[in-house]
Amino acid sequence: DAGVIQSPRHEVTEMGQEVTLRCKPISGHNSLFWYRQTMMRGLELLIYFNNNVPIDDSGMPEDRFSAKMPNASFSTLKIQPSEPRDSAVYFCASSLRVRLASYNEQFFGPGTRLTVL
Amino acid sequence: EDQVTQSPEALRLQEGESSSLNCSYTVSGLRGLFWYRQDPGKGPEFLFTLYSAGEEKEKERLKATLTKKESFLHITAPKPEDSATYLCAVQKTGANNLFFGTGTRLTVIP
Repeated sequence: DAGVIQSPRHEVTEMGQEVTLRCKPISGHNSLFWYRQTMMRGLELLIYFNNNVPIDDSGMPEDRFSAKMPNASFSTLKIQPSEPRDSAVYFCASSLRVRLASYNEQFFGPGTRLTVL
Repeated sequence: EDQVTQSPEALRLQEGESSSLNCSYTVSGLRGLFWYRQDPGKGPEFLFTLYSAGEEKEKERLKATLTKKESFLHITAPKPEDSATYLCAVQKTGANNLFFGTGTRLTVIP
């Protein structure tokens, strides 16, 4: 089975440009998570969705960041306008949440390395 | 305040030299503790879930244990291919998200 798929794998852009990162979760999973990883702060949760509905976006740094999940097999994370401090590796992860109390074993994609010049 | 602290930040071992990685946590109600392995340029790879104090899980040369305040990842007779960053994460009761520590970067020298 295919794991979590992310695209692009690498993105280099200039400050002020719009960036869109894409994620396809594992088929059948109903929870999707966007993380950002940097050397200084480690792995930080940005936002997560249950059944395509955003549940917690408290980790989104500011209004320049937005995320959507139009259906169960696709999600996007958009940064507009991008800034050099947004440079990081962005990971998407998915899991199967059976019920409220279920354990959340998340499976990660390969990440998108974003560089904003 | 909820916290997950991993130590040491980095660890260098000779091949065959056993050791342990530590993950200390302070959360208001632990639902599960997770260990992940991350290789350079890749996403974290799930290793173990521990649910309650006293529980142990094993996989090849790795064994994870859990107490009420911390978890250990024991590495027995490591090989160079065990070199990676090991991350621990906690899930709080009633929550769906994980909170990650900053990881331990393990290097095993042949």
